[in-house]
Amino acid sequence: KQEVTQIPAALSVPEGENLVLNCSFTDSAIYNLQWFRQDPGKGLTSLLLIQSSQREQTSGRLNASLDKSSGRSTLYIAASQPGDSATYLCAAITGRRALTFGSGTRLQVQP
Amino acid sequence: SQTIHQWPATLVQPVGSPLSLECTVEGTSNPNLYWYRQAAGRGLQLLFYSVGIGQISSEVPQNLSASRPQDRQFILSSKKLLLSDSGFYLCAWSQVSAGGRETQYFGPGTRLLVL
Repeated sequence: KQEVTQIPAALSVPEGENLVLNCSFTDSAIYNLQWFRQDPGKGLTSLLLIQSSQREQTSGRLNASLDKSSGRSTLYIAASQPGDSATYLCAAITGRRALTFGSGTRLQVQP
Repeated sequence: SQTIHQWPATLVQPVGSPLSLECTVEGTSNPNLYWYRQAAGRGLQLLFYSVGIGQISSEVPQNLSASRPQDRQFILSSKKLLLSDSGFYLCAWSQVSAGGRETQYFGPGTRLLVL
């Protein structure tokens, strides 16, 4: 059974700082890995999807990497802004095409 | 473009009452559909997924059920709610692209409080 872990659980940084969020998964036989953002009381917004054959994906200030052999993915946020404050979730997509989510990293960017 | 709707947005129900949450997707056909629950202080848990009309797979044994009466409609139901059913229910859809990419897109969610 796939298990996804995210570290740290919470993070507070000053505005402008670069930061890395970590995600690890136990079963390397994944199809894709997806990163989401969730604002309080809201649904999930898809940020990046990395296919199992890819090493990284970039969108604006976000860069996500995937290392299947070690069961790790990282989300890099450059030049953080207060608007980046949210909970970030990673999810591994298994053969059933169902997402297994981590518990998330709650990010607070201080102005 | 594709959009996904959920209603109601919030719901307060007494224990033992029935439940019906609806999710519809526009702008696509034959999507994969999913129901997730996010309990307070806990991560997202997959409840049901469907790859076609009338095809439902259950991930977690519980007193909830799901149905897909139409291609782009997914319904989550219960005959008798429990306190532990409280949470944030999210519907999602996905499709596999020509390149093998399958991104899941989520609806705005329904917040359910069982009292």
